[in-house]
Amino acid sequence: EAQVTQNPRYLITVTGKKLTVTCSQNMNHEYMSWYRQDPGLGLRQIYYSMNVEVTDKGDVPEGYKVSRKEKRNFPLILESPSPNQTSLYFCASSSIAGTGGPNNEQFFGPGTRLTVL
Amino acid sequence: GENVEQHPSTLSVQEGDSAVIKCTYSDSASNYFPWYKQELGKRPQLIIDIRSNVGEKKDQRIAVTLNKTAKHFSLHITETQPEDSAVYFCAASHRFQKLVFGTGTRLLVSP
Repeated sequence: EAQVTQNPRYLITVTGKKLTVTCSQNMNHEYMSWYRQDPGLGLRQIYYSMNVEVTDKGDVPEGYKVSRKEKRNFPLILESPSPNQTSLYFCASSSIAGTGGPNNEQFFGPGTRLTVL
Repeated sequence: GENVEQHPSTLSVQEGDSAVIKCTYSDSASNYFPWYKQELGKRPQLIIDIRSNVGEKKDQRIAVTLNKTAKHFSLHITETQPEDSAVYFCAASHRFQKLVFGTGTRLLVSP
């Protein structure tokens, strides 16, 4: 089954304790992206990757890191989480065939609800 | 950078009525405009999209229209049903790599 998976699905942590949220897709997609969803603000892009070893900042990258060492995986790293990073996080992937980039359907993971105390 | 505004933030209709959600974008270079539906507690899923070389696209009860001159696009849902109740997000492709989302519209369809 074609899918995007994220782990963990729920996480409660404390300020300053490093954490990683994993994302994996089995569709051989080149493009992967991380979003955070906050009430009234919609989905805001944190980082994206066009392919292995190619990453770039989205609209709200502060406080986050990513890596793309393998095509299927795109982990999100919070080196020193703060309460303002409490949010619902979605990973997404898409093919870059045709018009390219995110201009194809993005498949979203199930989401990770993060609470930073 | 690209900015996408979405209205209304909430929309309540009776079953069988039509619903219209409108979005405006700022970057005239944007060329891809998808709409995602997010049911409560679920992930966003694409329901329809349109590219800048097309003015209208229809898929059964849903349709999207695009006015490039005015830089706005709209989602139309006809004969609404309770299962259409969800949050709908519009988006615009700002650059090759980026997709900018609107703030969402919560649609409630009452039986």
